Amino acid sequence: EVQLVESGGGLVQPGGSLRLSCAASGFTFRSYAMNWVRQAPGKGLEWVSSTSGSGGGTFYADSVKGRFTISRDNSKNTLYLQMNSLRAEDTAIYYCAKGYDYNYYYHIDVWGKGTTVTVSS
Amino acid sequence: DIQMTQSPSSLSASVGDRVTITCRASQGISNYLAWYQQRPGKVPRLLIYAASSLQSGVPSRFSGSGSGTDFTLTISSLQPEDVATYYCQKYNSAPLTFGGGTKVEIK
Repeated sequence: EVQLVESGGGLVQPGGSLRLSCAASGFTFRSYAMNWVRQAPGKGLEWVSSTSGSGGGTFYADSVKGRFTISRDNSKNTLYLQMNSLRAEDTAIYYCAKGYDYNYYYHIDVWGKGTTVTVSS
Repeated sequence: DIQMTQSPSSLSASVGDRVTITCRASQGISNYLAWYQQRPGKVPRLLIYAASSLQSGVPSRFSGSGSGTDFTLTISSLQPEDVATYYCQKYNSAPLTFGGGTKVEIK
């Protein structure tokens, strides 16, 4: 069974940093693109970032470009999101999501349960 | 960047009704469009990909159509378990933008 388990969320002050992790199992991790999608309280889904199977291609929403970094360790079957210079508007549930194929330009077919990030003083 | 606009933002229909949700892209995206369902308090779930392909395990009352800029998600006979917010997403290139969502309720 494909499973994605996020961790690393929590309360952080504005301007602070946080690193999210997503442990994947049940599929050949290196063969699939991975994504981060977030959802602010009471709001819709917002795509944050994607990376190809190798990690060589990375893509970001304008709202996080220059502050967030997506990476993956294919030897550990783990996806990361390093979040710096956090703002109140980054408060959201962050979902790890598996792409359908190796490249990022495919739909998402599996979602994790999410981890909550709260940016507040 | 390509914008994705869903309409309506919410709707209320009776059990058994046919429900149609539309998603419009500001530029052509061929058939690089997916639909997701998010039930209250739950994780999103893939319903349709490539505009009209039904994801395995999804009931056949769900269908998708369209290409280019205009897409529709249809529920042929609304069921109580279909109460949810539905999102379209384009994935032809970054940014992989979601539509604003359509909240479906039972009348």
